[in-house]
Amino acid sequence: GAVVSQHPSWVICKSGTSVKIECRSLDFQATTMFWYRQFPKQSLMLMATSNEGSKATYEQGVEKDKFLINHASLTLSTLTVTSAHPEDSSFYICSARWAGREHEKLFFGSGTQLSVL
Amino acid sequence: GQNIDQPTEMTATEGAIVQINCTYQTSGFNGLFWYQQHAGEAPTFLSYNVLDGLEEKGRFSSFLSRSKGYSYLLLKELQMKDSASYLCAAIDSNYQLIWGAGTKLIIKP
Repeated sequence: GAVVSQHPSWVICKSGTSVKIECRSLDFQATTMFWYRQFPKQSLMLMATSNEGSKATYEQGVEKDKFLINHASLTLSTLTVTSAHPEDSSFYICSARWAGREHEKLFFGSGTQLSVL
Repeated sequence: GQNIDQPTEMTATEGAIVQINCTYQTSGFNGLFWYQQHAGEAPTFLSYNVLDGLEEKGRFSSFLSRSKGYSYLLLKELQMKDSASYLCAAIDSNYQLIWGAGTKLIIKP
């Protein structure tokens, strides 16, 4: 079953409003979570790396003031798209790093389809 | 090389069940997505599988077997609006998406 819960799965908003997307690890503690953006038929583009209790690390070209990331607990990270515009319409997906004794894995959320009118 | 195979086209009857298969060969594996795409529109997310087994979401279910490099999308109680292309995409070890060419599903009354 799903081990990372992402909510909402689909959102429509007016231009200029803000949208918050939540990513929760359900069965494990994730010290690191990743946020991606995907355009149709393209690979996932890493936006930022979120570490619990510290500031997120943003990839080049990603506006940190526009895409606010908060990782307040070991099971929850949030992405807030501030003052959203139509060009922000995209598919956003998170992943959480699970670290076992011998290896680690990334588990992905189910994604959020954002449409800005 | 990396490769995704799925049938080019399938036809089914309204109210019936259809299974769309997808086999993959990737350098590492971090999960598989299924998308639905209507003509002229962007693909929309249907499912994500990373663990073996069946995930059910209403009329749609997705199955994954990592040992066989195989997934399928099962659509039940088909409706005319389900006529679309269905794409599977696998995530490789570099977290890149490897896309299949898509399966065009035609629903007949």
